[in-house]
Amino acid sequence: QIQLVQSGPELKKPGESLKISCKASGYTFTDYAMQWVKQAPGKGLQYMGWINTQTGKPTYADDFKERFVFSLETSASTAYLQINNLKNEDTATYFCASARGMAYWGQGTLVTVSS
Amino acid sequence: DIQMTQSPSVLSASVGDRVTLNCKASQNINKYLNWYQQKLGEAPKLLIYNTNNLQTGIPSRFSGSGSGTDYTLTISSLQPEDVATYFCFQHNSWPTFGAGTKLELK
Repeated sequence: QIQLVQSGPELKKPGESLKISCKASGYTFTDYAMQWVKQAPGKGLQYMGWINTQTGKPTYADDFKERFVFSLETSASTAYLQINNLKNEDTATYFCASARGMAYWGQGTLVTVSS
Repeated sequence: DIQMTQSPSVLSASVGDRVTLNCKASQNINKYLNWYQQKLGEAPKLLIYNTNNLQTGIPSRFSGSGSGTDYTLTISSLQPEDVATYFCFQHNSWPTFGAGTKLELK
């Protein structure tokens, strides 16, 4: 069955960087784009963008164009979200999602940014 | 970007009730509208895609309708396990989510 398994929670200080992984299984990784969604504590869902898993080309929402990087390790069926120069407002759960209609989601990775 | 407005923000209903959740787009989204259910502490789950297509494995008490700018998710007979927050999502142009409707038991 299709699964997306994300890396574990992160506790970081402002200014640091982190990289979240999302490992896909149960389907051909390059059949679907990988999408990323942010959910701040107690808030709704915010669409961050996607990465084309065939070409590696990322596309970012306006709010995520500066410090956020989507990347792939296709041989490992894994997508990554890197956040540079972390800020307090990056505290959130980050989800990867894939397949038509974003039918499959990772379990989420909680990122806490605090000094 | 297209703005998605969900109403109501909170809905209280009883087991067995027919429940209707609304989602209004700021412009025509050509039925490119999905509904997701998110239970506390879990990832969202796709219920309905492209307005009225039931995702595999989702109970038939869930249905979707709409066109143009106005869309609806209906639960024909509310069950206790349906307590969750429901988000609409348009993918006609740059994708955007609604703010969600929190569904509670009365």
